[in-house]
Amino acid sequence: AQKITQTQPGMFVQEKEAVTLDCTYDTSDQSYGLFWYKQPSSGEMIFLIYQGSYDEQNATEGRYSLNFQKARKSANLVISASQLGDSAMYFCAMSLQGFQKLVFGTGTRLLVSP
Amino acid sequence: GAVVSQHPSWVICKSGTSVKIECRSLDFQATTMFWYRQFPKQSLMLMATSNEGSKATYEQGVEKDKFLINHASLTLSTLTVTSAHPEDSSFYICSARVQGANSGANVLTFGAGSRLTVL
Repeated sequence: AQKITQTQPGMFVQEKEAVTLDCTYDTSDQSYGLFWYKQPSSGEMIFLIYQGSYDEQNATEGRYSLNFQKARKSANLVISASQLGDSAMYFCAMSLQGFQKLVFGTGTRLLVSP
Repeated sequence: GAVVSQHPSWVICKSGTSVKIECRSLDFQATTMFWYRQFPKQSLMLMATSNEGSKATYEQGVEKDKFLINHASLTLSTLTVTSAHPEDSSFYICSARVQGANSGANVLTFGAGSRLTVL
């Protein structure tokens, strides 16, 4: 069964520090994609970063990087130099069947303090 | 980039009435759109996949007659919550698949969501 697991319901980090949000996945598909989205209190889903299962290098987008360990089936999000505006809910998601379906994890609430 | 407009952003209705939520792709054609539901403090659950010109594919446990989905054009999909009840109160989000996207990062784009409250 395809599943995304986020084991950290909440994380706390001080401004300017780095933080890692964990994500593990389970699928028997050989081709899949992994996404991270940020959801502020307004509710919109903001795309952060994407990693394809065949991508050999870890994805990076500005302060966001994805630590992709295929053998371990993990796709952790690393946020460097946290900012107050990073406080939000973060969802890991997996696309299957050629982006026909997106399965979400339960999310991690990140709180950045001054 | 590809933009999806979702309307209304919030709606309050009386129990027993029907509510329609629209999801429009503004600068691209979306042959496939997805509808999600999110309860407070929970994750997004896929309700159905909407394909232009054909019937929607519903996920297990989602009532087809309750949540009517229409995808009559390449830029518009609608979700109608029929005979709404308080338990239908939720956050509904649509997303669209962008055909011809140049990378996996650009394939899916989300609307801003619609918060439904049924009194």
